[in-house]
Amino acid sequence: QQQVKQSPQSLIVQKGGISIINCAYENTAFDYFPWYQQFPGKGPALLIAIRPDVSEKKEGRFTISFNKSAKQFSLHIMDSQPGDSATYFCAASKTSGTYKYIFGTGTRLKVLA
Amino acid sequence: DAGITQSPRHKVTETGTPVTLRCHQTENHRYMYWYRQDPGHGLRLIHYSYGVKDTDKGEVSDGYSVSRSKTEDFLLTLESATSSQTSVYFCAISPGTGAYEQYFGPGTRLTVT
Repeated sequence: QQQVKQSPQSLIVQKGGISIINCAYENTAFDYFPWYQQFPGKGPALLIAIRPDVSEKKEGRFTISFNKSAKQFSLHIMDSQPGDSATYFCAASKTSGTYKYIFGTGTRLKVLA
Repeated sequence: DAGITQSPRHKVTETGTPVTLRCHQTENHRYMYWYRQDPGHGLRLIHYSYGVKDTDKGEVSDGYSVSRSKTEDFLLTLESATSSQTSVYFCAISPGTGAYEQYFGPGTRLTVT
């Protein structure tokens, strides 16, 4: 019940295209869902996060869509750029207690110029 | 990297030796976390701290111990390093109390030969 399943493992997108990464969770007590971006040799950096009280959150070219009934959430990267090439991780957490994250296994995105 | 440093950044050690990794923060955040990152597994929580001298186990804590004697420092010790502990180790911090974001350090690459 603690798993977060992330897909696909890898993704290749043309410059200007839309990148879509999906995550599914099992524990209905999770109520905070962040996405992280990680470049090689660097630590993960918080990209965008959502709470279940909204179905969508947008920040620039990055959008999280959230489906509470399906227990799924996804990251959409609009107008993908070569600089977006990185590994993306979703995570899930409860907003009570110790705020421990459960991470997905990551998606390696490559945007072709 | 949100005022987080990790030391050392790279270490090669032999099987059976003890190893201590250090995480230092300048943000005065209450929560600190140690993760390991391995291909195909994403980030997995080893131990975390919710205050000075207050620590608890994560999902992959066997073979690891931690200590936090000051707000700014969180130490991870491998009691007797094994080859299965070859990994990249990340420290993260979180303010807690209504703020759920975790901020990651630059990582330590540990190789156990």
